[in-house]
Amino acid sequence: AQTVTQSQPEMSVQEAETVTLSCTYDTSESDYYLFWYKQPPSRQMILVIRQEAYKQQNATENRFSVNFQKAAKSFSLKISDSQLGDAAMYFCAYRLNTGTASKLTFGTGTRLQVTL
Amino acid sequence: NAGVMQNPRHLVRRRGQEARLRCSPMKGHSHVYWYRQLPEEGLKFMVYLQKENIIDESGMPKERFSAEFPKEGPSILRIQQVVRGDSAAYFCASSPSGRSTEAFFGQGTRLTVV
Repeated sequence: AQTVTQSQPEMSVQEAETVTLSCTYDTSESDYYLFWYKQPPSRQMILVIRQEAYKQQNATENRFSVNFQKAAKSFSLKISDSQLGDAAMYFCAYRLNTGTASKLTFGTGTRLQVTL
Repeated sequence: NAGVMQNPRHLVRRRGQEARLRCSPMKGHSHVYWYRQLPEEGLKFMVYLQKENIIDESGMPKERFSAEFPKEGPSILRIQQVVRGDSAAYFCASSPSGRSTEAFFGQGTRLTVV
């Protein structure tokens, strides 16, 4: 079974600084997707960034980028120029690519605080 | 195009009552997933449905929980004879049929059992 581990329950960053959230996963598959979701106090799950395992290039979305290390099964999220609105729970998630839609496996989350 | 709609947003039930949670997927989406989030935890998969079919229910508790996604109308997650341990946020996500890589989430239903 696939597992996703987030070893940082809480992180703090000053506004305008950079922070990196860690995620590791365990799978015997080679074709899968990895995601970072943001959950603000409203509880809405918002997709931040997506990485396809067969792509070596790290995904980037504006201030958000990932460091995908397939051999090490590591998938960290870097947030640059942090903003107050980035404060939220961040969840790493894995999804096997079966060719059709399939379930997500989530980590336990990292709570990010952004300070002035 | 409206997003995934879940209702109610908040639901309070007494122990032993039934809880019915509704999820209307995005227009054109025929795949629905239900997840449960216990306090201070990540989301855990419960069940995956397509129209009129349960595809994967490996995360559903064996008793008291059921789900359906009829040909017409929303998907329903039903919890019978609720207990305090059922208190959680229940999320629905939907995706279009085929090789979609992304599921879109609703805002969840927070169930409180008193």
